[in-house]
Amino acid sequence: GAVVSQHPSRVICKSGTSVKIECRSLDFQATTMFWYRQFPKKSLMLMATSNEGSKATYEQGVEKDKFLINHASLTLSTLTVTSAHPEDSSFYICSARGRQGRNYGYTFGSGTRLTVV
Amino acid sequence: AQTVTQSQPEMSVQEAETVTLSCTYDTSESDYYLFWYKQPPSRQMILVIRQEAYKQQNATENRFSVNFQKAAKSFSLKISDSQLGDAAMYFCAYWRDNYGQNFVFGPGTRLSVLP
Repeated sequence: GAVVSQHPSRVICKSGTSVKIECRSLDFQATTMFWYRQFPKKSLMLMATSNEGSKATYEQGVEKDKFLINHASLTLSTLTVTSAHPEDSSFYICSARGRQGRNYGYTFGSGTRLTVV
Repeated sequence: AQTVTQSQPEMSVQEAETVTLSCTYDTSESDYYLFWYKQPPSRQMILVIRQEAYKQQNATENRFSVNFQKAAKSFSLKISDSQLGDAAMYFCAYWRDNYGQNFVFGPGTRLSVLP
């Protein structure tokens, strides 16, 4: 089945530094990838949608300059949290939709727990 | 805009018993999909079951089944013979097949399974 690899699973960084999170589709071409943020005991909140080769579309209230998304290839999307602050600490999850067929299950990555100290 | 509501923040069930998780949604569309996802402590989102809105027959996957009431916009999940491994957050989700369309998730129900 479709597999999405998300890396790293956990990261701790100092306030003011930048962190990059990768989301890779391992066995299918992901034309669209989604980035979610999940606060403790809460549901997933969509941050942005990225289509291969074009600029990401951000949800209202999400700072595009802080959360840089790049979807340069059909198998890789990256989320960079720039100048991270403690309030950016959260759980980030990506999901991917494939080009072929009705992959309407979507496939989620295993998530990244970001802690900013 | 579509919304998904899960009115039970927490539920508990005795091992081997049956539990039903509720979900309602709001949409003006007629063709869409509904899902139940499970998120265990590992935080990995795991697909439990999916239902196409055009199908009248309720989806079933082993111990998991749904009661899909399209007119009432209700989509409940029934877990039979509950197991300790079923303990997790359960999210109901709505999705419509448009290019790039994302999921709309409900707030989740935390299910505890008591031994």
